[in-house]
Amino acid sequence: KNEVEQSPQNLTAQEGEFITINCSYSVGISALHWLQQHPGGGIVSLFMLSSGKKKHGRLIATINIQEKHSSLHITASHPRDSAVYICAVERVPSGSRLTFGEGTQLTVNP
Amino acid sequence: NAGVTQTPKFRILKIGQSMTLQCTQDMNHNYMYWYRQDPGMGLKLIYYSVGAGITDKGEVPNGYNVSRSTTEDFPLRLELAAPSQTSVYFCASNPGGRTEAFFGQGTRLTVV
Repeated sequence: KNEVEQSPQNLTAQEGEFITINCSYSVGISALHWLQQHPGGGIVSLFMLSSGKKKHGRLIATINIQEKHSSLHITASHPRDSAVYICAVERVPSGSRLTFGEGTQLTVNP
Repeated sequence: NAGVTQTPKFRILKIGQSMTLQCTQDMNHNYMYWYRQDPGMGLKLIYYSVGAGITDKGEVPNGYNVSRSTTEDFPLRLELAAPSQTSVYFCASNPGGRTEAFFGQGTRLTVV
């Protein structure tokens, strides 16, 4: 079993829908990252969380340390949100090295 | 700032050939990493460095070598390319733990 599990693996939505991607982990962590990988292949950081909730534009990330679970929400989804969303954790005591989930492929149709 | 720059973007190697993937960052980050991404799988750590002159193995180091002579540069060396090394390689950096990670654009390597 992977230490970082994401669901769903694939998600198709209509423009404007509210989207949730889930990430569960089975190890102790110091931080959790949400990353976005566009079809061109580049990876960008969306959020780094160690507790609570963060918001940036239409994106919201939450983490529940006790339940070892994080969610990434996209409000008012748009076709340009189509990408692979990756959850990654900084394990304790491995420091800043990341352990990655397999990613969620999101497709938003107009 | 250019961020993290990787070269080349694409490369085809024959079995047994060698090559170096270049990675440089201009953010003065101490921590640098090499990951590989295989289809349908999460990124895996190959090697990492916590500062100039210090490197260590990650989860999948076999067949690779690294060096870190300066803060800016962290090249990844493949000595005897094998088909199993066909993958997309990402270099990344950050200032330390619990900080945002910055990734290069990736190198798509095919070994035939």
